[in-house]
Order: sequence, then C-alpha cells, then structure tokens
Amino acid sequence: GQQVMQIPQYQHVQEGEDFTTYCNSSTTLSNIQWYKQRPGGHPVFLIQLVKSGEVKKQKRLTFQFGEAKKNSSLHITATQTTDVGTYFCAGQGGKLIFGQGTELSVKP
Amino acid sequence: DTAVSQTPKYLVTQMGNDKSIKCEQNLGHDTMYWYKQDSKKFLKIMFSYNNKELIINETVPNRFSPKSPDKAHLNLHINSLELGDSAVYFCASSQGGRGNGSPLHFGNGTRLTVT
Repeated sequence: GQQVMQIPQYQHVQEGEDFTTYCNSSTTLSNIQWYKQRPGGHPVFLIQLVKSGEVKKQKRLTFQFGEAKKNSSLHITATQTTDVGTYFCAGQGGKLIFGQGTELSVKP
Repeated sequence: DTAVSQTPKYLVTQMGNDKSIKCEQNLGHDTMYWYKQDSKKFLKIMFSYNNKELIINETVPNRFSPKSPDKAHLNLHINSLELGDSAVYFCASSQGGRGNGSPLHFGNGTRLTVT
C-alpha cells in the first residue's frame, strides 16, 4: 500500500543553522502537504504543493516537490527558537498519508 | 471562535471503562476525521466522514465507534478501554470529500490515559 517515509526523525541544531527534512512516497502523489506541530500542540497546515518541480517559499521556509511527484523537502534557513516543533509531510495519493515527522530542536 | 473544538482535553480512565470524545467544527466543512497520535508522534487516520457518511474506516478495533449526527459533529466512543488505547486523539476537518487535497484543520487534541 501507499507509504510515506520522512527523515530524519530528530534534528538538533544551533540557532542560526539551517535545517532540512525529506519526504519520500512509494507512489506518485497528486499533492503533498506540510504541517507543523508545536510541543503540546496540534498539527497546523503550512502549505500544499501540487505541480511537479514546484517550489514555494514562506519567509525562511522553502518547500519543494520533486519532478516525479514522489518526494518533497522542507528547508529552513537560519533557524530560530520559534521553529521548534515536529514537521510532518502528508502525501495525497488515494488518501492522505502522514510521514513519521521530523522533530526539530533549536539550541539558543 | 474556535474552528475545530474537541472535548475533553484530558481523559484519564481505567481499563475496561467506556468513554466518549466529542468534536465540533464551525468551518462549514464537509469532511471530518479522527486521527490517533501515538507516543512516537505518528499520526494515523482512524475514521473519516463526509456529510455524515462514513468514507474511511481503517483497521481499528470494533471497540471504537464513530458517530456523526450532522456534518458539523463527529464523536468517538470507545468501549472496554485498553492500555494500548493511551494516545492523543485529534479530530480534524476539511472542505470537500476524500482525496481532493484540501488541507486539514485539527482540533487541540484529547490526551487519553488508560491506567
């Protein structure tokens, strides 16, 4: 069945360093969504990518969708303590499947 | 003006008990969901309802029974609670039906602890 794998599981960075999380699907996706869950909070929708090779930016966050629409990445430039949380990708094939999440911690 | 609200926020109960979690959304969305998030933060879909009709029913024990009295409400009843049911349960909603790519709006979660 459809699977969505996300790596790394954990990432510890110094404030100001960059951060990237990667997402790979076993099947071609119609779209991919990214969510952020702060500690103790609930997942909050960040963005959706639909087109092959699409790149979208939100301030220091850059989201990419692969050419084959099977992989995606989220890159944060110059992390801040407010970036702390777990980042989930969710791939839409027949249904929406969440990756395992990448937990980001930022040391000030 | 909470968009997706679920109650209670915390639920501590003993094995064997029956409990319910309620969810309401005021976004006018057609589809509602229940997700289970385990201790490793993995989000797994349990059920999905579109306009009161069950459209997703993952391999969830029969002890879990969702009920949608109208499209703005989706409740979850759990019978004979087990230790392994301890988790955070999230209600969510989205516009449109299954597979249309609409983003999910999550409630604040219900942390269930079974002792």
